[in-house]
Amino acid sequence: KNQVEQSPQSLIILEGKNCTLQCNYTVSPFSNLRWYKQDTGRGPVSLTIMTFSENTKSNGRYTATLDADTKQSSLHITASQLSDSASYICVVRRVTGGGNKLTFGTGTQLKVEL
Amino acid sequence: DTEVTQTPKHLVMGMTNKKSLKCEQHMGHRAMYWYKQKAKKPPELMFVYSYEKLSINESVPSRFSPECPNSSLLNLHLHALQPEDSALYLCASSQEEDSNEQFFGPGTRLTVL
Repeated sequence: KNQVEQSPQSLIILEGKNCTLQCNYTVSPFSNLRWYKQDTGRGPVSLTIMTFSENTKSNGRYTATLDADTKQSSLHITASQLSDSASYICVVRRVTGGGNKLTFGTGTQLKVEL
Repeated sequence: DTEVTQTPKHLVMGMTNKKSLKCEQHMGHRAMYWYKQKAKKPPELMFVYSYEKLSINESVPSRFSPECPNSSLLNLHLHALQPEDSALYLCASSQEEDSNEQFFGPGTRLTVL
């Protein structure tokens, strides 16, 4: 069964600190993995996309990694800011098959405090 | 224009009301989507339109009726909803149905009394 699991479920950190969010998936065959940031009451916004051949990709203070062998991805946030408080969702796309090809993770709720 | 817009932002309706949610994009995308999102849960796909034709219906109850009048517009008609239908309804679009990135709108917060 295609599944995407994220951990931790929620996280509270102090402003300026770093944090790492995890995403494990069983989606197959794998096409790509995308991290979204979703502010409360808003639609998700794409942060980065990882394909099979990519190990690391950065977007400002966000760095995503992908280990396609172990089917794990992480999102590292450096020097956190209050505006980073949001839900971070990992979405994995499979290559083939009909119907909906996206599997959404349950998300990690991040809160950055002073 | 690189955004997906949704109206209204908030909607409160009774179980006997009929209302519609609207979504619009002017990016020339040919695929549009409706998602339902409950609090602290990921978005759940409801419908996919590709080239103005319904491509995917994820077994959504008939009290939700989608409509794609043209390539830029997507509506979701609501009738006889239940309180458990209260959620954030997200619209998204992508270049094609199989395109990698979906662009999401800000959502409509629906409350059914």
